[in-house]
Amino acid sequence: QVQLVESGGGLVKPGGSLRLSCAASGFTFSDYYMSWIRQAPGKGLEWVSYISSSGSTIYYADSVKGRFTISRDNAKNSLYLQMNSLRAEDTAVYYCARVSSSSWSPDYWGQGTLVTVSS
Amino acid sequence: DVVMTQSPLSLPVTLGQPASISCRSSQSLVHSDGNTYLNWFQQRPGQSPRRLIYKVSNRDSGVPDRFSGSGSGTDFTLKISRVEAEDVGVYYCMQGTHWPQWTFGQGTKVEIK
Repeated sequence: QVQLVESGGGLVKPGGSLRLSCAASGFTFSDYYMSWIRQAPGKGLEWVSYISSSGSTIYYADSVKGRFTISRDNAKNSLYLQMNSLRAEDTAVYYCARVSSSSWSPDYWGQGTLVTVSS
Repeated sequence: DVVMTQSPLSLPVTLGQPASISCRSSQSLVHSDGNTYLNWFQQRPGQSPRRLIYKVSNRDSGVPDRFSGSGSGTDFTLKISRVEAEDVGVYYCMQGTHWPQWTFGQGTKVEIK
């Protein structure tokens, strides 16, 4: 069965950095686009970024462009999100999600990892 | 950017009764390939979101048939024919038509009266 397990969240000061990881299993990771989606405490869902199956195509939401970097290692079945210059408004649960190419939407989600940006 | 607007934002329902959530987009969600990439997600308390419906009306595997999606263009609806206790949570619509920017609705909280 498809499993996505995020890690790397925690408490970081404004201006700091953090790297999130997502370990995938139960499907051929290299065949799928992958995405990061976040949810601020008590708020709705916000798309952050996605990356093509090969890693050659990448998009970011305007709110994180220039500060976050998405990447993947298909040999390790892993997805990453490098987050720099973190702000209080980046505080959220970050979900890793697999992208279905037939429906162009996230069909499987991980359990999420909490990132808290606070001094 | 495409704005997704859901209503109502809060929906108290009686067990066994139907429920309906509306989702409207600021632009047509009909893609140039002819598909309409409108999806519905359920987020139960303390859980990750789960996709229920994709491309307007297609139920995901394991989703009870009391859930149905409909609509076209800019107006879409998620219906629950008979609400059960396990349906409590927040429901989100999401558009995938206007690549690369996915956008979600604000969410509708379904609770039992």
